[in-house]
Amino acid sequence: QKEVEQNSGPLSVPEGAIASLNCTYSDRGSQSFFWYRQYSGKSPELIMFIYSNGDKEDGRFTAQLNKASQYVSLLIRDSQPSDSATYLCAVNGGTYKYIFGTGTRLKVLA
Amino acid sequence: DAGITQSPRHKVTETGTPVTLRCHQTENHRYMYWYRQDPGHGLRLIHYSYGVKDTDKGEVSDGYSVSRSKTEDFLLTLESATSSQTSVYFCAISEIGNGEAFFGQGTRLTVV
Repeated sequence: QKEVEQNSGPLSVPEGAIASLNCTYSDRGSQSFFWYRQYSGKSPELIMFIYSNGDKEDGRFTAQLNKASQYVSLLIRDSQPSDSATYLCAVNGGTYKYIFGTGTRLKVLA
Repeated sequence: DAGITQSPRHKVTETGTPVTLRCHQTENHRYMYWYRQDPGHGLRLIHYSYGVKDTDKGEVSDGYSVSRSKTEDFLLTLESATSSQTSVYFCAISEIGNGEAFFGQGTRLTVV
């Protein structure tokens, strides 16, 4: 059974700080990795994806991938209260299939 | 926003009855997915489609069937609803099936 694991949180950070969200996966053959944000009562929305080892930056968001250690991270710089949400990690688990973690709830304290 | 609509948005049904949820897209995306989301379990894939009449099972497909007779519509049927199928159901679409997906608004289904 392929698995994607995330700490459920909540992860609380003060406004302006860096929030670090982590995700580990079991399938060493996974090639593509995604971060979705889900506000309470809403649907998930894609915020980042990464395919290669290393860092990928998009505005205040940085995705980090380490395939050897089988983890992917999402850093949110200058965290804002509007970033308070659940962040879901998704990893490809086969052709056209993606496995989601249970999500980490982030709370940014004003 | 991606053109994806789920219907109904809310439904209460009785145990043992069949239920069909509809996902309609206007993006002409090839790939469509049905997920359920439950506390402590996150999003779990029920079924997906990689083209008209082409579908495959996900990780929690027991008790569910799907059909896709047109590019724009993907139907999820609970053949005989059970209380364990009370959940929020999300449809998602993807242009190239690479994990970059757009989600519908969700359907909250309660089986009593």
